[in-house]
Amino acid sequence: RKEVEQDPGPFNVPEGATVAFNCTYSNSASQSFFWYRQDCRKEPKLLMSVYSSGNEDGRFTAQLNRASQYISLLIRDSKLSDSATYLCVVRGDGSSNTGKLIFGQGTTLQVKP
Amino acid sequence: DADVTQTPRNRITKTGKRIMLECSQTKGHDRMYWYRQDPGLGLRLIYYSFDVKDINKGEISDGYSVSRQAQAKFSLSLESAIPNQTALYFCATSTRRGNTDTQYFGPGTRLTVL
Repeated sequence: RKEVEQDPGPFNVPEGATVAFNCTYSNSASQSFFWYRQDCRKEPKLLMSVYSSGNEDGRFTAQLNRASQYISLLIRDSKLSDSATYLCVVRGDGSSNTGKLIFGQGTTLQVKP
Repeated sequence: DADVTQTPRNRITKTGKRIMLECSQTKGHDRMYWYRQDPGLGLRLIYYSFDVKDINKGEISDGYSVSRQAQAKFSLSLESAIPNQTALYFCATSTRRGNTDTQYFGPGTRLTVL
């Protein structure tokens, strides 16, 4: 079983749609969770951290369910510019100090006009 | 100017050749990392370094070595390249601030081993 699993998609949605991605992780001791965005052939960039109480940044909402060990990302009112691959990332060793990240394989989103 | 740079950006080489990929950063971060990305597998950690004298193996270090020449420079070497090392390689940097340790990635090096 992969440490961090995502549905690779692709998710094809029209502009303005709401889309949700889920991710599961295997290490129950993991402490830190993130969503990164990666455009085609570019480097990953941090989209947002995921906090236990859930957090929102504009059209993006991230939630964490520790009991079920899954993380979600909700994008409202999708824009063409949201088309990218979204990477679920977990700090893999239960420590907030070591910096080692475990990446999911990514979920591809294609927003169409 | 980019804060994290990688050279070369693209490289095609032959099996058995020695290759060095270089990473430099102007962010003043103490921590540096090398990852590779393969389709369907996500990014996997090769080596990481938390300071100039600190080198640690990651998930897939076999066939690779690294050198941390200075706080701002972290090089990845393939001593004898093989075709399954064909991948997109990313360098990343970070520093711990409070409970956060956000990693910032370089633009990547696309390596093809024939």
